[in-house]
Amino acid sequence: TQLLEQSPQFLSIQEGENLTVYCNSSSVFSSLQWYRQEPGEGPVLLVTVVTGGEVKKLKRLTFQFGDARKDSSLHITAAQPGDTGLYLCAGASTSGTYKYIFGTGTRLKVLA
Amino acid sequence: EPEVTQTPSHQVTQMGQEVILRCVPISNHLYFYWYRQILGQKVEFLVSFYNNEISEKSEIFDDQFSVERPDGSNFTLKIRSTKLEDSAMYFCASIRGMGEKLFFGSGTQLSVL
Repeated sequence: TQLLEQSPQFLSIQEGENLTVYCNSSSVFSSLQWYRQEPGEGPVLLVTVVTGGEVKKLKRLTFQFGDARKDSSLHITAAQPGDTGLYLCAGASTSGTYKYIFGTGTRLKVLA
Repeated sequence: EPEVTQTPSHQVTQMGQEVILRCVPISNHLYFYWYRQILGQKVEFLVSFYNNEISEKSEIFDDQFSVERPDGSNFTLKIRSTKLEDSAMYFCASIRGMGEKLFFGSGTQLSVL
């Protein structure tokens, strides 16, 4: 069974601070996605990383896929209150059904 | 941007009743999924569907659950006899192919009383 653990589970920081969220597994994934979810809504895709070692930037967000495609990180620079939300990583199974396994989630709160 | 559409947005039912949750995936997508999220918990995989059959299902997806794609556009999840613990947000999702963007619907909040 492929599992994805995210850390930290909860994070409360002041506006302007930097933070990193980690997504770790002992399994290899063919690709990995990061989502943000607001209460009562479906997850919204932020980025997909496919190649080991890949780094993608989305404004103040930097995503990295581990060289072995087992882990990923999300770094936010100068966090803003609008970044508040639940961040989820999801790995695409290598089994051929293209199933996405979701991580345990990181709930971020950015205080003004 | 194309959307996955789910109806209803909220469903309240009595324990033991059957419910059908409906989804319209994006038209050129080939792989379809149902996920659920119990309040405050992680998003859990239920089932994947490809080429008009289930390609994979989780332990949660027991005999009480079934999926159908009856007419080439709708994708439904049926729970035959709902239990209290089935209360959750149910998300439908679809992708065109491997490595492509997974599009989620906005979910159906199911409450079993």
